[in-house]
Amino acid sequence: GAVVSQHPSWVICKSGTSVKIECRSLDFQATTMFWYRQFPKQSLMLMATSNEGSKATYEQGVEKDKFLINHASLTLSTLTVTSAHPEDSSFYICSATEAGISYEQYFGPGTRLTVT
Amino acid sequence: GIQVEQSPPDLILQEGANSTLRCNFSDSVNNLQWFHQNPWGQLINLFYIPSGTKQNGRLSATTVATERYSLLYISSSQTTDSGVYFCAVPTGGGNKLTFGTGTQLKVEL
Repeated sequence: GAVVSQHPSWVICKSGTSVKIECRSLDFQATTMFWYRQFPKQSLMLMATSNEGSKATYEQGVEKDKFLINHASLTLSTLTVTSAHPEDSSFYICSATEAGISYEQYFGPGTRLTVT
Repeated sequence: GIQVEQSPPDLILQEGANSTLRCNFSDSVNNLQWFHQNPWGQLINLFYIPSGTKQNGRLSATTVATERYSLLYISSSQTTDSGVYFCAVPTGGGNKLTFGTGTQLKVEL
């Protein structure tokens, strides 16, 4: 149980284009999903908290207009990197907590974004 | 905000050896998670352990919340144990997680 998927697993895009990453909870309902960013050989940094049906809460220093987050249902959250630049290249990971069960977070397999 | 430090930062073991990884945190917490990030980047939940000791096969974890640390024990290590081990604690009054600095483990034959 508690499986989280992400799509795509990797993507290459050209500078200036937008990329959408999907995060799905496959066997549970997730009222809250989180988006993280990880640079090589570094720890995970929280970008934003996404609650179903409401606006995402962004961490300090994260550009809301660049990283658009939508949590339209209890099983799906999306992250759109708009007008991507090479410095946006990174490993993006989502996680989810099971509604009403506990605060334990379950993580997706990650999406590796390369902007050329 | 809360600081989470892990030690050692790097560890190389021979297959079959035992090891202890440590996670120190700077403030009181009401839960803690341990993860293993495999070489492909997937984070695997190991333990959700607010306090006390839990065991799962060759792995066990102990959290002493009053002294602000947690330990992860790996016994009879295998090459598949290689990867990065993270601890993470809740922050900001909600269920957001702050991740530790990580321990890079390599298990050699």
